[in-house]
Amino acid sequence: AQSVTQLDSQVPVFEEAPVELRCNYSSSVSVYLFWYVQYPNQGLQLLLKYLSGSTLVKGINGFEAEFNKSQTSFHLRKPSVHISDTAEYFCAVSGNAGKSTFGDGTTLTVKP
Amino acid sequence: DTAVSQTPKYLVTQMGNDKSIKCEQNLGHDTMYWYKQDSKKFLKIMFSYNNKELIINETVPNRFSPKSPDKAHLNLHINSLELGDSAVYFCASSQARGDTQYFGPGTRLTVL
Repeated sequence: AQSVTQLDSQVPVFEEAPVELRCNYSSSVSVYLFWYVQYPNQGLQLLLKYLSGSTLVKGINGFEAEFNKSQTSFHLRKPSVHISDTAEYFCAVSGNAGKSTFGDGTTLTVKP
Repeated sequence: DTAVSQTPKYLVTQMGNDKSIKCEQNLGHDTMYWYKQDSKKFLKIMFSYNNKELIINETVPNRFSPKSPDKAHLNLHINSLELGDSAVYFCASSQARGDTQYFGPGTRLTVL
């Protein structure tokens, strides 16, 4: 079985500050890892994904994430956030038989 | 040129009624999904189809019945609606199982 744990349910941060959203996963097989963003009243859209290769993955809107196999983590980071980054962020893993599992989400609130 | 579309966007109905939500994707993907997102933003997989065949059927009441007439469509029919069915339902598609998922805009179902 595979699982995803997003360690912070809510992350408030001031504009232009750095942010890290934490994600740990467990799986008995090799996995693909994803971060999705959901803006208010919209569906989810892909921010970035790790399939293989370089462990540092860059995505849209200045976000990046680092795959750490020994710590089974895939934390999302941005060096300087904007008000427009306020949204719900979901970490997801797919592995066993191609089944995807989503975390419970982290609400990022950027304050002026 | 919407990639994944859902109709209707809003659905308000009485307890006990039967309703359907339609989903279409024009991406040529082989796999389609239905998710339920509750008021706390938790996202739960309900069903997944691959080439019109059911491959994932999570613990969902049998009042919920998916139907895939072709690869591009995955509809969700709900019988005898209950208050607890109120949620946002998302359709998604991916090229293959475990790949990046593309989400529709969601259908907000309210059961009175």
